[in-house]
Amino acid sequence: DAMVIQNPRYQVTQFGKPVTLSCSQTLNHNVMYWYQQKSSQAPKLLFHYYDKDFNNEADTPDNFQSRRPNTSFCFLDIRSPGLGDAAMYLCATSRDHEAGGFEQYFGPGTRLTVT
Amino acid sequence: GENVEQHPSTLSVQEGDSAVIKCTYSDSASNYFPWYKQELGKRPQLIIDIRSNVGEKKDQRIAVTLNKTAKHFSLHITETQPEDSAVYFCAASVDRGSTLGRLYFGRGTQLTVWP
Repeated sequence: DAMVIQNPRYQVTQFGKPVTLSCSQTLNHNVMYWYQQKSSQAPKLLFHYYDKDFNNEADTPDNFQSRRPNTSFCFLDIRSPGLGDAAMYLCATSRDHEAGGFEQYFGPGTRLTVT
Repeated sequence: GENVEQHPSTLSVQEGDSAVIKCTYSDSASNYFPWYKQELGKRPQLIIDIRSNVGEKKDQRIAVTLNKTAKHFSLHITETQPEDSAVYFCAASVDRGSTLGRLYFGRGTQLTVWP
């Protein structure tokens, strides 16, 4: 049973053309994360939501935005994709940290290609 | 912020041999240390984790050890099998303030198990 779902699995966009990646979860976790992973590198945290509280990493480019309309869904918007934004984008969720939830559950990822 | 170093970057072993991957971290406040396995093109999956109040944890062929004094932790895989071939990431979580739950990843180790 899929717990963290990402759509689409593969996305091709043109240089400068806005693109939106989506993530949904059936775990009812209140924390959701977006990571960027380039080839042969570790996942790099872009931002995360603790409920509706948005936390941006200091080095995340302004080109990347996120929305979380409800507990189940989270979106990653790339306003003007550049060639350097081609990567795998991973969504992850975890339970309330205050309650001791640390394990992050990853989705299958969206492979973004920029032409 | 936290800095996690992981070694080696590549590791080749013969089937049946043991494999050891080592990580060090810099922030003594880190108290959660997961290990993720990522097969080519797939999502990272948690294989084992350890909390700072435990020195060792074992799950079948996989074990993790933690030395808080030296700030290092290691993954041990015994009786390796070809299906163990993947990239392994260590991570550390600093349980404090705005970084609550945030994972700091090592750069990964490509493990290859030869039949």
